[in-house]
Amino acid sequence: GAVVSQHPSWVICKSGTSVKIECRSLDFQATTMFWYRQFPKQSLMLMATSNEGSKATYEQGVEKDKFLINHASLTLSTLTVTSAHPEDSSFYICSAPRGEYSPLHFGNGTRLTVT
Amino acid sequence: EDQVTQSPEALRLQEGESSSLNCSYTVSGLRGLFWYRQDPGKGPEFLFTLYSAGEEKEKERLKATLTKKESFLHITAPKPEDSATYLCAVQARASKLIFGTGTRLQVFP
Repeated sequence: GAVVSQHPSWVICKSGTSVKIECRSLDFQATTMFWYRQFPKQSLMLMATSNEGSKATYEQGVEKDKFLINHASLTLSTLTVTSAHPEDSSFYICSAPRGEYSPLHFGNGTRLTVT
Repeated sequence: EDQVTQSPEALRLQEGESSSLNCSYTVSGLRGLFWYRQDPGKGPEFLFTLYSAGEEKEKERLKATLTKKESFLHITAPKPEDSATYLCAVQARASKLIFGTGTRLQVFP
């Protein structure tokens, strides 16, 4: 069964509004979670690394003030897309390793459409 | 620069027609190579991890192999339910996962 849960699975919002996406580890504690973005027929691109109890680490070119990440507990990380614009429309996926040397397990993604 | 290239971009097979998917990589200090399956509108589902050249892993109709430059995902006698995008990713030491763009596999009955 799924070990990482992501919510919502899809969301449509108007330009200028903010959207929050939740990522939960279901039966394990995740001190680190990863947020990816995937455009159609393209690879998964790492946006940021979410660290429990500390600031997220953002990849080059990702605006930290636009994509706010909060990892307040060992089982929950949130990604908030602030002042969303149509170009932010994409498939956002979170992931977490079950242990230090285990592979990443992914959530089922969130399809964001900004109109 | 660490890089992952997958080929072919798309593959159409008849049910039962075996084939292989390729993942070529350049990375400094390979920590692991990962294969994932992704269905449309879903997150990637973990299949295999390979750590060193010569290693092989199998799961049902799938078999993954690894050399120093590439990995193959062999699909034996595929079924329509094997249709999906197969993603390859590499991890260098103390580094993030780098994904390829995937191979879209369609298996027709």
